[in-house]
Amino acid sequence: GENVGLHLPTLSVQEGDNSIINCAYSNSASDYFIWYKQESGKGPQFIIDIRSNMDKRQGQRVTVLLNKTVKHLSLQIAATQPGDSAVYFCAENIIGNQFYFGTGTSLTVIP
Amino acid sequence: GAVVSQHPSRVICKSGTSVKIECRSLDFQATTMFWYRQFPKQSLMLMATSNEGSKATYEQGVEKDKFLINHASLTLSTLTVTSAHPEDSSFYICSARDWQTQETQYFGPGTRLLVL
Repeated sequence: GENVGLHLPTLSVQEGDNSIINCAYSNSASDYFIWYKQESGKGPQFIIDIRSNMDKRQGQRVTVLLNKTVKHLSLQIAATQPGDSAVYFCAENIIGNQFYFGTGTSLTVIP
Repeated sequence: GAVVSQHPSRVICKSGTSVKIECRSLDFQATTMFWYRQFPKQSLMLMATSNEGSKATYEQGVEKDKFLINHASLTLSTLTVTSAHPEDSSFYICSARDWQTQETQYFGPGTRLLVL
């Protein structure tokens, strides 16, 4: 499989600043990607998705960028708030099949 | 919409006993459900893919006789940890894929298992 079980990298940002969380995915055939947010002791929560025929998608305060050439995905959070503190995972998928998760990044927002 | 529940949310058991965890899709039908395990400060590790009405597909290294999966209906999958040992203590999370869209997975809140 393509699961990764490494310890989480961390990112600390000041409240109000923008956050950028990066993810390198492994399968060039993946055609659908999701960013999830996971708070301590809870299941992952869907944030935003993007298909491989797009390179950018915007939601409320969040933007996902996809660079298929280098197999890189990023999540940008505008005006980061304390409630954004969580672990963020990217997940890659070939539509119809299972998802595989990246290592995850622990985001801490400093008030 | 797209709510997935798990029961129980937390369980403590003695070593050697079996524990059953339920995963339900509450407002959609899921032909496919997935079971993950997550250790502290680590990513989600896919254990198995559960298809309604057929045998589960296990990831490499996951013992199918230890982690029994049943997906008897379009809204319910169960994971039974048989003869649990302390090393099985973990956070178990299920997800379900809406059969109509076949894209996004929705996750349950997770089950914390502690084996003494």
